[in-house]
Amino acid sequence: LAKTTQPISMDSYEGQEVNITCSHNNIATNDYITWYQQFPSQGPRFIIQGYKTKVTNEVASLFIPADRKSSTLSLPRVSLSDTAVYYCLVGDVASGGSYIPTFGRGTSLIVHP
Amino acid sequence: NAGVTQTPKFQVLKTGQSMTLQCAQDMNHEYMSWYRQDPGMGLRLIHYSVGAGITDQGEVPNGYNVSRSTTEDFPLRLLSAAPSQTSVYFCASSDQENTEAFFGQGTRLTVV
Repeated sequence: LAKTTQPISMDSYEGQEVNITCSHNNIATNDYITWYQQFPSQGPRFIIQGYKTKVTNEVASLFIPADRKSSTLSLPRVSLSDTAVYYCLVGDVASGGSYIPTFGRGTSLIVHP
Repeated sequence: NAGVTQTPKFQVLKTGQSMTLQCAQDMNHEYMSWYRQDPGMGLRLIHYSVGAGITDQGEVPNGYNVSRSTTEDFPLRLLSAAPSQTSVYFCASSDQENTEAFFGQGTRLTVV
């Protein structure tokens, strides 16, 4: 099974850049890496997805090295509202043959004033 | 623009009772799935569907049934509730495999 490993928790301060690294040593050749954000009492929300190198959108950047065995989510200039749990996902092939995103335990990011 | 709608938001059941958690999406997505989230465990996949009439088991399917008679709806049935099924349940949908998934707001279920 494809699995991910992330730090359980991280602390930061407003205005700093936060980098969360995820390890996925068994990622499949055709698999993408996807990150979600979850606030308390809400469902996860898509942040960014990539296959290799670097992807950037309006909220984050995703860095993926050539071997694709890890990835780093970068949040520029975090604010208090970025306090949330961040999940790194890679896929898995279920018994029926379909691709299924597999969540790990996530990283709890706390941003301090 | 409703997205993914789950009902109810909260539910308390007695052990042995049955119930259905409802999930509906209005984005014409083929892929739908159910997850449960327990403290410190992240989200674990219960069942999923790749289209109307097609369902399959995820990581933790025991005690749950699903069916997919329409593209829009994907109900999750608890046949005989147990305290171990106390959890927060999330439904999700996506257009294709490996694309952005949209999640509902969750159903918080307590089995006493």
